[in-house]
Amino acid sequence: KNQVEQSPQSLIILEGKNCTLQCNYTVSPFSNLRWYKQDTGRGPVSLTIMTFSENTKSNGRYTATLDADTKQSSLHITASQLSDSASYICVVSANSGYALNFGKGTSLLVTP
Amino acid sequence: DGGITQSPKYLFRKEGQNVTLSCEQNLNHDAMYWYRQDPGQGLRLIYYSQIVNDFQKGDIAEGYSVSREKKESFPLTVTSAQKNPTAFYLCATQGIGRTEAFFGQGTRLTVV
Repeated sequence: KNQVEQSPQSLIILEGKNCTLQCNYTVSPFSNLRWYKQDTGRGPVSLTIMTFSENTKSNGRYTATLDADTKQSSLHITASQLSDSASYICVVSANSGYALNFGKGTSLLVTP
Repeated sequence: DGGITQSPKYLFRKEGQNVTLSCEQNLNHDAMYWYRQDPGQGLRLIYYSQIVNDFQKGDIAEGYSVSREKKESFPLTVTSAQKNPTAFYLCATQGIGRTEAFFGQGTRLTVV
């Protein structure tokens, strides 16, 4: 069964600090992995998308890494801001069909 | 965002009523999806459609129905058979190549 596991479930950090969120998956055959940011009460917005051959991809202060061998990804947030407070969702797509496999998300709270 | 419009943003339903959630897109994407999001849980797939006049059940289709008469539109009806419909509903689309999925801003449905 295709599964996506995210950790930690929730995280609280001080403004200006860095943090790393984790995503492990068992989706096969792998097509791509995406990180989304979801603000409360709004739809998810894409941060990064990586295919099998990509190890790292950045989007401003967000840097995603992918290790397709160990089936692990991380999202690193640098110099956090209050506006980074949100849920971060890892989504893994398989080659077969249009199915999207969602993690449960990591809830991040950045405090002053 | 990104050309996907969900309406209404908030919806209240009396027990025993059917209600229809709207999802319209101008991205010319083939695939459209409906997800349900409950607190502390990941997104769960209700229905998806890859082409006009065709759709497939997702993991939690019971009590829901959809139609895909036009490429741009994929309305979701929450029927009285859905015993616990209070949730946040998200519509998403995905184009050819399945590289990225775009989400609407969601509809929060509450049973009163």
